[in-house]
Amino acid sequence: QVQLQESGPGLVKPSQTLSLTCTVSGASISSGSHYWSWIRQSAEKGLEWIGRIYKGGRTYYKSSLKSRVIISVDMSKNQFSLKMRSVTAADTAVYYCAGGEPITIFEIWGLGTMVTVSS
Amino acid sequence: SYVLTQPPSVSVAPGQTARITCGGQNIGNKSVHWYQQRPGQAPVLVVYDDKDRPSGIPERFSGSNSGNTATLAISRVEAGDEADYYCQVWDSSSDYVFGAGTKVTVL
Repeated sequence: QVQLQESGPGLVKPSQTLSLTCTVSGASISSGSHYWSWIRQSAEKGLEWIGRIYKGGRTYYKSSLKSRVIISVDMSKNQFSLKMRSVTAADTAVYYCAGGEPITIFEIWGLGTMVTVSS
Repeated sequence: SYVLTQPPSVSVAPGQTARITCGGQNIGNKSVHWYQQRPGQAPVLVVYDDKDRPSGIPERFSGSNSGNTATLAISRVEAGDEADYYCQVWDSSSDYVFGAGTKVTVL
């Protein structure tokens, strides 16, 4: 059974970088067939896909966030990470990591982690 | 960009059938997926590719998709079905698109 767990700071100051990690158990990030994504949820924007990584390296981002977001992977730890720079209050949300196979669905979700952007 | 439209809320009596719609331009040409989100929990995939259910999801959950509307039906509704439900599609130009969600209330 594949499980995901998000970790990272719950509070980030405006203009700084949000950093989150998703630990994957039960599947290999580097050799498996799942696509791994970051998704966030806020009252204002609802569920919003941020970006994905596949086969341990290929990334793709939502166009409106592309300039601020990097998703990377640590194969040795079977983790993938999200970095979002220059955050504002509008980036306050619950952040989920999710996985799916095929590319079109999210069949596995982490529990989510609340990130607040505030000074 | 592609837009999915859901009613904000649906109310249903226990034992009845709840129907949640998801509107989109020619959505019948796309694969629609549905997620259930109970308060304080992560979304759970309940229907994928219009009508298929992941393992462990009761047969009471069913889906259909045609024309400009996809529908999630929950038959023999139980108190535990009270949750927010989201439709989602994958569009080659918009990537992943979610509906705004429908709150199902069991009366």
